[in-house]
Amino acid sequence: GAGVSQSPSNKVTEKGKDVELRCDPISGHTALYWYRQSLGQGLEFLIYFQGNSAPDKSGLPSDRFSAERTGGSVSTLTIQRTQQEDSAVYLCASSLPNREGGIFFGPGTRLTVL
Amino acid sequence: AQSVTQLGSHVSVSEGALVLLRCNYSSSVPPYLFWYVQYPNQGLQLLLKYTTGATLVKGINGFEAEFKKSETSFHLTKPSAHMSDAAEYFCAVSPRGGGGNKLTFGTGTQLKVEL
Repeated sequence: GAGVSQSPSNKVTEKGKDVELRCDPISGHTALYWYRQSLGQGLEFLIYFQGNSAPDKSGLPSDRFSAERTGGSVSTLTIQRTQQEDSAVYLCASSLPNREGGIFFGPGTRLTVL
Repeated sequence: AQSVTQLGSHVSVSEGALVLLRCNYSSSVPPYLFWYVQYPNQGLQLLLKYTTGATLVKGINGFEAEFKKSETSFHLTKPSAHMSDAAEYFCAVSPRGGGGNKLTFGTGTQLKVEL
């Protein structure tokens, strides 16, 4: 079956602009995660959604970052007023609630802020 | 709080040699354990996982790992390295049950395979 998909694969934007990154999880996976990967920072947790529960936003680095998940499926990560330090690869993952089947990642969106 | 330590940011082996990538975790309760591989400009691919049952787990591409509770380790091995194994490998942990859901990653080990 289809894996986790993300769009766009690459995004170049100017400092100060807003960007939206999209994630389509594996069908039937109720848990969805966003991570960020950058040089020097490794893989950082951003936010976690599970079903209709309140999301775990403890990893969001600032209030410029937000995410939503509509209908328990597709998720959008929004970064407002982008800064150069936001340049990174943004990875989305999904799993079943108990994670025992594994947590599966998408190919990522490479964000470059000029 | 849980954490993961991967010893050696870079490991180099000869083709056909044993691959050993080390991972140790710190957690009050043994967590779920994962190994991921990342090829250049690609996402993370799940190699194998330990959640319950047999402590020696086999994954894709001939890799395996053994959970050793007494050593708080989950080292990744492959008997014979292939050129195509060159990539970055990440060990990750996730709490069991209701302890939270996020994955905590190690800093990664870059594997180089030489002729």
